[in-house]
Amino acid sequence: EAGVVQSPRYKIIEKKQPVAFWCNPISGHNTLYWYLQNLGQGPELLIRYENEEAVDDSQLPKDRFSAERLKGVDSTLKIQPAELGDSAVYLCASSDQITGELFFGEGSRLTVL
Amino acid sequence: AQSVTQPDIHITVSEGASLELRCNYSYGATPYLFWYVQSPGQGLQLLLKYFSGDTLVQGIKGFEAEFKRSQSSFNLRKPSVHWSDAAEYFCAVGISSNTGKLIFGQGTTLQVKP
Repeated sequence: EAGVVQSPRYKIIEKKQPVAFWCNPISGHNTLYWYLQNLGQGPELLIRYENEEAVDDSQLPKDRFSAERLKGVDSTLKIQPAELGDSAVYLCASSDQITGELFFGEGSRLTVL
Repeated sequence: AQSVTQPDIHITVSEGASLELRCNYSYGATPYLFWYVQSPGQGLQLLLKYFSGDTLVQGIKGFEAEFKRSQSSFNLRKPSVHWSDAAEYFCAVGISSNTGKLIFGQGTTLQVKP
C-alpha cells in the first residue's frame, strides 16, 4: 500500500515568489494534516481537514498561506508571497477514523532565498 | 497550555549500549503521548503511544516507554542500541486519541558510535 505522497521534495525560490505543495494521502484516510517543521524543531500543525472541510486552521498564517482539499482526497498548500522565514519542511500526514494514527509523508523542503 | 520538553538535544551512545531519551510534558488532563522517529530526509514514523492502562508501553524496533504521571514524564528506552537507530526522536502529546493535533517536543538527535 502506498504511503502519503508529497511533491515536490525540494523547492528553492526567491522571496516574494509563490510556491505550492501537493499531498496525496493514504487511500481511505479521511483526515489530512499539514505540519510545518522548522530546522531543529518539532513539527507544528498548520491545518487539519476532515474530508474536504478545514476543521482546525487556527495556526495557519492566513495572510500568505492557503490550503485546499477540494474533493476530500488530495490537498494543496500554497504560500504567496514567500518570505525568508518560510524556509522549512512542510509535512503532510493522514489518518483513518478507526485508529487515528498519523502517517507522515517525507515532506517538502522549501528554501527561500 | 500543552507543551513538551525534550531536555537532551543531542545524545551519543555506543552500539549495544542502553538508551534512554527523556520527555516531559505539561497538560492538565490525561495526556495522550507518542514517540516518533525521523530518519534524515524521511517522514516521521510512530514508535509507540500511550493512551491509558499499563504505564509501560511496548513499541516497534525494540523500543519501550514508561508513563510516569507523578513526574509528567514519558521516557523512551531501548536495552541495546543498533547503528540503524541513529535518527531524530520526537515526543508528542495529543489532546485526544484521534484528532492528530499533536504538540511535539523539539527533538533529540541520537548518534550511535561503532
